[in-house]
Amino acid sequence: IVMTQSPDSLAVSLGERATINCKSSQSVLHSSNNRNYLAWYQQKPGQPPKLLIYWASTRESGVPERFSGSGSGTDFTLTVSSLQAEDVAVYYCQQYISTRTFGQGTKLEIK
Amino acid sequence: DVQLVQSGGGLVQPGGSLRLSCVASEFTVNNYWMDWVRQAPGKGLEWVANIKEDGSETYYVASVRGRFTISRDNAKRSLYLQMNSLTAGDTAMYYCAGGRDYEKFWGPGTLVTVSS
Repeated sequence: IVMTQSPDSLAVSLGERATINCKSSQSVLHSSNNRNYLAWYQQKPGQPPKLLIYWASTRESGVPERFSGSGSGTDFTLTVSSLQAEDVAVYYCQQYISTRTFGQGTKLEIK
Repeated sequence: DVQLVQSGGGLVQPGGSLRLSCVASEFTVNNYWMDWVRQAPGKGLEWVANIKEDGSETYYVASVRGRFTISRDNAKRSLYLQMNSLTAGDTAMYYCAGGRDYEKFWGPGTLVTVSS
């Protein structure tokens, strides 16, 4: 399964909304449990990735509410509702319905 | 939360071998699939391999299949990656990670450099 993110980079003003898209080449919706096997990770320079969202829309414990995930099947979105300085990072989507595949990453910066 | 400590990276010549290790802080890691994920310098994340909780199933990305072997020793809370026939293309930061489905916890990474 190929994961394609858009855009590759994004510059947003502080306090504004940031939206990152992720498209899978096959559906990641499992018919047996109606769950989308899609996660989002945040990676800051020099650090390992950090899990933000799983099952496409479930926020990991401790992740700020300004981060949200949506979508189903093959099209997904990560939204940062009000960008903060500490959100500058590279964001990756990942499917886990068939082994694992990551998107190429989206670099989020401050405008 | 589970903490992971990694070791075994370093400089190796093309064609050489290296074994990476990852030790968990808790035995709860034995209830999770474990993965190796790598990141070439300045590049994105690439999933490399994973192994079922009891070690009975393993999967690999095509580019390493037949060269890399993932294994685990649950009595030692440890995960391993044996890497053989290394090439320059294997140069990367290697992360161990784990979770029930998605990768909930990650190690700090260990750098593998393949160069003559």
